[in-house]
Amino acid sequence: GNSVTQMEGPVTLSEEAFLTINCTYTATGYPSLFWYVQYPGEGLQLLLKATKADDKGSNKGFEATYRKETTSFHLEKGSVQVSDSAVYFCALFSGGYNKLIFGAGTRLAVHP
Amino acid sequence: GAVVSQHPSWVICKSGTSVKIECRSLDFQATTMFWYRQFPKQSLMLMATSNEGSKATYEQGVEKDKFLINHASLTLSTLTVTSAHPEDSSFYICSALGLAAEPYNEQFFGPGTRLTVL
Repeated sequence: GNSVTQMEGPVTLSEEAFLTINCTYTATGYPSLFWYVQYPGEGLQLLLKATKADDKGSNKGFEATYRKETTSFHLEKGSVQVSDSAVYFCALFSGGYNKLIFGAGTRLAVHP
Repeated sequence: GAVVSQHPSWVICKSGTSVKIECRSLDFQATTMFWYRQFPKQSLMLMATSNEGSKATYEQGVEKDKFLINHASLTLSTLTVTSAHPEDSSFYICSALGLAAEPYNEQFFGPGTRLTVL
């Protein structure tokens, strides 16, 4: 079945450090891929998305490229800020299942 | 952008009582809404999918008599936790899929409702 695997957290970085959160997936067909962010006590917000192979999603300095050959959708940011501290979820949507499949989430803590 | 609201944002109730949580799409019509449950420091678990005017589809292991879902209109779905017990304490999140959703079927999430059962 479809699944999403994220790197375990927490990830602790200093401000302005480079961020990578790994995400790989297993799916039949051609799923759409998403990164969501959840700030403390809040619901999920869509951070970025990609709908087909080689697409690059980007938003707020974050980016991720849909790599079909490696079934990956790693999240990157060149210079993190304290305000980026949150939990990040990688997810896929497969039309065959008609639902979002989430990874376990990766907690990011950025210190000044 | 598409906005989804939930009410209440938090609720505390006594064991044995029932609690209703509302999920509304404020600026679009949603044919399909989803209800998720999230335990502390864990991922979201899909509980059920509700389609306007029809019965909800529950995920395996979710008690449909315990978690009653009603999707009476294109902008409102409700989740009722019946005879709540402390183990039902959790963060409940809804999402909505718009009528004019893109091929990738983007879901718009509500801010969540924190339920605490004493």
